[in-house]
Amino acid sequence: NAGVTQTPKFQVLKTGQSMTLQCAQDMNHNSMYWYRQDPGMGLRLIYYSASEGTTDKGEVPNGYNVSRLNKREFSLRLESAAPSQTSVYFCASSELRGSYNSPLHFGNGTRLTVT
Amino acid sequence: ILNVEQSPQSLHVQEGDSTNFTCSFPSSNFYALHWYRWETAKSPEALFVMTLNGDEKKKGRISATLNTKEGYSYLYIKGSQPEDSATYLCAFRGGADGLTFGKGTHLIIQP
Repeated sequence: NAGVTQTPKFQVLKTGQSMTLQCAQDMNHNSMYWYRQDPGMGLRLIYYSASEGTTDKGEVPNGYNVSRLNKREFSLRLESAAPSQTSVYFCASSELRGSYNSPLHFGNGTRLTVT
Repeated sequence: ILNVEQSPQSLHVQEGDSTNFTCSFPSSNFYALHWYRWETAKSPEALFVMTLNGDEKKKGRISATLNTKEGYSYLYIKGSQPEDSATYLCAFRGGADGLTFGKGTHLIIQP
């Protein structure tokens, strides 16, 4: 039972470099999310995908792009990394969009440092 | 930006004691309130999802209540054990998509 798998687990980038964080879930969930975790800030929503083929901005989308490649995969791209994007990134998924009592299932996180 | 507040920010409790903490959230446009436990070096895991005013949920020694009219939820831990040490997050769903998380209550159980 893999659940939600994120890669890589750790990454160090230089300012201006680009990278893509990968996320895949094997629970047949419709909705997928990207959050970032910063000290003292709680989990903040970057982007979400309510269903395959749709993506929407969350609270802190600037500097990021996403792709819902298929039902399983939801990737997060940093086109030109900045030190302010140093954070721990979590991918999560949940069941039907309209099922408001569905909990989120989280991946293990990606720790990104931008120097 | 929705305001989801948790208090206290951190809490030290003696093993065997009971404790509780609070999550406050907007009382309008309520869809659901989630509680998660987040242990160090792991990812958050769902404890409860509550949708109805007056809901009470229980899992072992942990329980939660919900008041949507006044916008608060309590999480209770009875007879705290060292394995209860974690950060407890609440999250508010005020629409069809995405959850807004509080900053969490960091609980430390002292033997």
